[in-house]
Amino acid sequence: KQEVTQIPAALSVPEGENLVLNCSFTDSAIYNLQWFRQDPGKGLTSLLLIQSSQREQTSGRLNASLDKSSGRSTLYIAASQPGDSATYLCAYNAGGTSYGKLTFGQGTILTVHP
Amino acid sequence: KAGVTQTPRYLIKTRGQQVTLSCSPISGHRSVSWYQQTPGQGLQFLFEYFSETQRNKGNFPGRFSGRQFSNSRSEMNVSTLELGDSALYLCASSAQTGHGYTFGSGTRLTVV
Repeated sequence: KQEVTQIPAALSVPEGENLVLNCSFTDSAIYNLQWFRQDPGKGLTSLLLIQSSQREQTSGRLNASLDKSSGRSTLYIAASQPGDSATYLCAYNAGGTSYGKLTFGQGTILTVHP
Repeated sequence: KAGVTQTPRYLIKTRGQQVTLSCSPISGHRSVSWYQQTPGQGLQFLFEYFSETQRNKGNFPGRFSGRQFSNSRSEMNVSTLELGDSALYLCASSAQTGHGYTFGSGTRLTVV
């Protein structure tokens, strides 16, 4: 069974800190990997999409890296703010016959306090 | 550009009833996927449709079904509801495989 593990499960930090969220996966044949955030009771908001041929993607204060060979992705959040508080989920698409299927981790619950 | 629209936002149903949820994808997106989210199991893939054809299905009982219309709108149906079907049901759309997915706000289903 292909799995995704996110570490840590929860993180509480003061405002201004730089953060690293980790995502590891067992399927080395991924097609791409996507990071999302989810606010309580809401849907998912896409943050970054990394294709298997890419090493990293950046958007504002967010940077995501991908290392297929080691089965790891990291999401780096610079200068965290209280508005960053949410659950962060990583998910990969294996492509091929896994059309439209994303395999998700359990998420990292992030709390940034003022 | 309108996002992915799911209706209704909230539903309360009784055990044994059936329910239909609707999803309108982003204009031009032909792939629609459905997920169930619960506190214990997290996000689990239900099925995916592309151009009215189901291309992939997750490990859910046959009570869960779906379809996609020619305008790419999709519906999922759950028959003979059980208490364990209470969950947030999320729909996602994509232009095609590999282009990333955009999610709707979800339908919160409560079975009593």
